[in-house]
Amino acid sequence: EPEVTQTPSHQVTQMGQEVILRCVPISNHLYFYWYRQILGQKVEFLVSFYNNEISEKSEIFDDQFSVERPDGSNFTLKIRSTKLEDSAMYFCASSTNRQGEQYFGPGTRLTVT
Amino acid sequence: AQSVTQPDIHITVSEGASLELRCNYSYGATPYLFWYVQSPGQGLQLLLKYFSGDTLVQGIKGFEAEFKRSQSSFNLRKPSVHWSDAAEYFCAVGARMGSGGGADGLTFGKGTHLIIQP
Repeated sequence: EPEVTQTPSHQVTQMGQEVILRCVPISNHLYFYWYRQILGQKVEFLVSFYNNEISEKSEIFDDQFSVERPDGSNFTLKIRSTKLEDSAMYFCASSTNRQGEQYFGPGTRLTVT
Repeated sequence: AQSVTQPDIHITVSEGASLELRCNYSYGATPYLFWYVQSPGQGLQLLLKYFSGDTLVQGIKGFEAEFKRSQSSFNLRKPSVHWSDAAEYFCAVGARMGSGGGADGLTFGKGTHLIIQP
């Protein structure tokens, strides 16, 4: 069964450093998403992406964040200058259509020290 | 903006007993609704979804949920829980947008932690 994959599973970085989180969505999906979950809290929507551009973004997704689909398979989330409060689990998801069920990857745990 | 409330932070159920997890949403129109399950250290797995039509929807692992418009609820049920059902359960709502492109982010509740007693 096809699934969303994410790398790395765990990333430790120092405050102020740039990080890139990578995702490979399910191959025939067209809509892509990033969410985050701070430890012990709910899953929060960051951004959605379709047709090579951002569709929707939340208040969390400020200028420090960017997304890219550099090739036909990868979907990345970049944080330019990490802050302690960026420590969270980051989930990538994809769907076949804009209101279809979203399939989530296993997540990348980002720890900013 | 839409919101989701899961009033129960923790629920403890004996193995074999029935289960109901509550979810209430706030949205100006009929939303589309999901339940996801998250086991420790794992990602989110979709249990079931409601888009339209029959208000009682069946999902995987023997779960079902009922959409009640009058109560703005989408409660998750299972007639007999198994120890493997212990996990975090999230209700989520998506907005029905107009025609055109774009992708809709989901709004999640805070989750209900399900504990199964032997």
